[in-house]
Amino acid sequence: EAQVTQNPRYLITVTGKKLTVTCSQNMNHEYMSWYRQDPGLGLRQIYYSMNVEVTDKGDVPEGYKVSRKEKRNFPLILESPSPNQTSLYFCASSLIGQLYNEQFFGPGTRLTVL
Amino acid sequence: TQLLEQSPQFLSIQEGENLTVYCNSSSVFSSLQWYRQEPGEGPVLLVTVVTGGEVKKLKRLTFQFGDARKDSSLHITAAQPGDTGLYLCAGAGRGGSNYKLTFGKGTLLTVNP
Repeated sequence: EAQVTQNPRYLITVTGKKLTVTCSQNMNHEYMSWYRQDPGLGLRQIYYSMNVEVTDKGDVPEGYKVSRKEKRNFPLILESPSPNQTSLYFCASSLIGQLYNEQFFGPGTRLTVL
Repeated sequence: TQLLEQSPQFLSIQEGENLTVYCNSSSVFSSLQWYRQEPGEGPVLLVTVVTGGEVKKLKRLTFQFGDARKDSSLHITAAQPGDTGLYLCAGAGRGGSNYKLTFGKGTLLTVNP
C-alpha cells in the first residue's frame, strides 16, 4: 500500500530534550516536506526537500533541522524543543515530475513539549 | 499576512443542504488544490484546478478556479454526514516555485443527520 508513515504518532517530552520524528514514504517520491498545524494558524511549512541531500527552509524553520540521506526518509529533528513547538506535525511527499505538486500526507505526529 | 483566506471558518448545516466554501487571495497561483482532513488524519487531496475559469466536479462536489487564478470555490450539493471534515485550499506557484504550497486556515464543516 502506497503510504507516508510517521513515528511516533504521539509524543510528550520536556523542554530541551532532543527528539526526532521520523517520516518514510514507499512511493519513490523525490519531494518531501514537513508541516506543523496549529489552531487558528493552519498548516505551515517547516522544511522541504527536492531530493537526496537537497533541503530548503519553508515558512517556519526556526528550531528545527532536517536531513535527507535516503530518498524514502526525511526525519525532523528538534535539537532543543520548547513549549511553542507543541503542535501537530505532518510529513508529506510528492513526485517532482508531477506538474502540480499534489502531496500525500502522513497521519500526523502530535507533539507536546512541557 | 495570510495569503489564502478561507471563508467561512466554521459551517454547521443539516443533511441535504447545499453549501459553498471560498478561498481568496490577492496573489496569483499556478494551481490550486483542495484537501479534506478528517480528525486524527492527514489531509487528503480532492482536486487540483489549474486553468482560470476551470470547473471540476467530483460527485456532489464542484470546484471552480477564478478567471484570474486568485480565488477558488468549493460547492457541495445535498451535503451528507460523511462530508464532515476540515476543507483546506492550497495554492502553488508562490515565489515562482510550484513546489511550495501555501495553505489556507481551512473551513470546518459539520453536516448533521
